[in-house]
Amino acid sequence: GGIITQTPKFLIGQEGQKLTLKCQQNFNHDTMYWYRQDSGKGLRLIYYSITENDLQKGDLSEGYDASREKKSSFSLTVTSAQKNEMAVFLCASSMTFNQDTQYFGPGTRLLVL
Amino acid sequence: GEQVEQRPPHLSVREGDSAVITCTYTDPNSYYFFWYKQEPGASLQLLMKVFSSTEINEGQGFTVLLNKKDKRLSLNLTAAHPGDSAAYFCAVRNNNNRIFFGDGTQLVVKP
Repeated sequence: GGIITQTPKFLIGQEGQKLTLKCQQNFNHDTMYWYRQDSGKGLRLIYYSITENDLQKGDLSEGYDASREKKSSFSLTVTSAQKNEMAVFLCASSMTFNQDTQYFGPGTRLLVL
Repeated sequence: GEQVEQRPPHLSVREGDSAVITCTYTDPNSYYFFWYKQEPGASLQLLMKVFSSTEINEGQGFTVLLNKKDKRLSLNLTAAHPGDSAAYFCAVRNNNNRIFFGDGTQLVVKP
């Protein structure tokens, strides 16, 4: 088995601030993902990385940057936090990009004051 | 692109009753289907994945039915108990290997 770790668990930011969320997985999975989950809504894909050194935009990439520093880690940056923004950011990984189950981390809960 | 519609958004049942959640999707090339459970404050846990046509899959206390002709996926909790109270999400993978999630169903099972 393996585990996905996300830091921080809670993040409170100020409007306009640049905020970075981190994700680590020890599954040795090739592919990693960042999703945003708004209250009462499903997940929307922000960025994904098929393999180390790859970066792909999802449906919601505007306002975000991402970086796959190494195979086990994938970070997400909110480039300019929006006032009153509140969401959960979920990191996931899968063995490969094709036909594999995604495993999710516990999430980072963001609140922007 | 793919559209996934999940119904109902909220569902309240009594302990021992069945609870049925349904997703419909639009892309006929979708080929892999998932149900996830999310307990309050926790992340998504995979309940079941389905990779076939018109199939019934049975898990512990639930059944998943896939009808590719109608582009419909359903989750039936056969005798719900309070521990089943959670949000449930369907997810659909298309042939571009993108996964699309439903908006979720908040299930409450009352004792």
